[in-house]
Order: sequence, then structure tokens, then C-alpha cells
Amino acid sequence: DGGITQSPKYLFRKEGQNVTLSCEQNLNHDAMYWYRQDPGQGLRLIYYSQIVNDFQKGDIAEGYSVSREKKESFPLTVTSAQKNPTAFYLCASSITQASGGTDTQYFGPGTRLTVL
Amino acid sequence: RKEVEQDPGPFNVPEGATVAFNCTYSNSASQSFFWYRQDCRKEPKLLMSVYSSGNEDGRFTAQLNRASQYISLLIRDSKLSDSATYLCVVTSGGSYIPTFGRGTSLIVHP
Repeated sequence: DGGITQSPKYLFRKEGQNVTLSCEQNLNHDAMYWYRQDPGQGLRLIYYSQIVNDFQKGDIAEGYSVSREKKESFPLTVTSAQKNPTAFYLCASSITQASGGTDTQYFGPGTRLTVL
Repeated sequence: RKEVEQDPGPFNVPEGATVAFNCTYSNSASQSFFWYRQDCRKEPKLLMSVYSSGNEDGRFTAQLNRASQYISLLIRDSKLSDSATYLCVVTSGGSYIPTFGRGTSLIVHP
């Protein structure tokens, strides 16, 4: 089946530890995104990537890092520098329009990170 | 001013009611518009795209008003299963970054 997968679904981390969240898609989408959602809040963009080996900071990139070595994969590392990492993390992908801009985004099921 | 604004609600309606949400956007160059549905503790899922001529999908109707810079979502004959948060999403021409509203919460009760 085509789609986006994120793992793990739930993740617990001790303070001071780095942790990497996985995001894989087999939709052949060029663009991929990472968002963070806090309770009762909207989605905030962390990083996005339009093509392989290129990515851009979003609105809240501090304390996070990403890589895009393969079209299908866009892992997110939450570093110890992120002061308040407990949140729901969502990965998405979309087709890049030939005229520029993005088409519909498709989301993975999310990873719920809790820092103990 | 926020780029995309929605009334957070909650909108509390009985089954069978008709309910409408609006979403305003500030960038007049916006080109693509979507409504997503998000259930509690789940990922957002596309409900429908919004076209200039308006579009309908069963009980759901979406409309775009470029002059006043808002989009709307109308739900007829509400079902209990329609209870969710509805997110408005706007993308500007040439941008790879969709802008999300904070969502409008709908609660449909028996």
C-alpha cells in the first residue's frame, strides 16, 4: 500500500538525550515536511525539504535537525537543545507542482514524544 | 495579523443540524485552499480541496470568496461521526509551505 509511515508511534526520552523520529513515504513525492503540534494548538512547521539533499528551516527549527539523503526518507532528530520537546510530531509529503507551489499534503500517523 | 484565522469553537450542534465554518486568509496571492479533518490524537486527513467555483462532496460544500479572502465549509445533516477538528489550509503561489489555521472544533451530539 502507498503511504507515509512514522515510527515509533510513542516515544519516551530522558532529558538530555537526542532522539530520531523516522518518516518514510512510497508515494514518490518530492516534498516532505515535519510539523509539531501541541495540545489545543495548530501545526507548526519545523523543517521542510523540496528535493533530495536539500532542506530548509521552518518556523521553529531550533533544537531540531533533519537529513534528506533519499527521496523516500526524511528523519527528524530532536536534540537536547530543544527545551520543550514533548509534543505530537507529524510528517507529511506532497507533490511539487510544475508551476511551483505544493499540492495536497498527506500525513503520517504521527509520533507522540514524551520527555521524562 | 495571523495569516490564516479560524474560530476555534467548539461548535456544539445536534445530529441533523447544518453547520458552517469560515476561514480568513491575509495573503491575497493565495492560490490553493484545502479543508482537512483531524480526529483527536490522529493525523490530519484531507477532507476536500476548495475550488474557485465551489465544490460539493455529499453533505459537505466548500466555497471560496476571493474578494473577501475567506473560504467556508458547510456540513449538512450532521452525523455524530462528523465530530472532529476542521483545519483550513492555504498555500500561496510559488510557495512550498502550506499555512494551517488552528482549527475549528465541531461536536455533534445526539
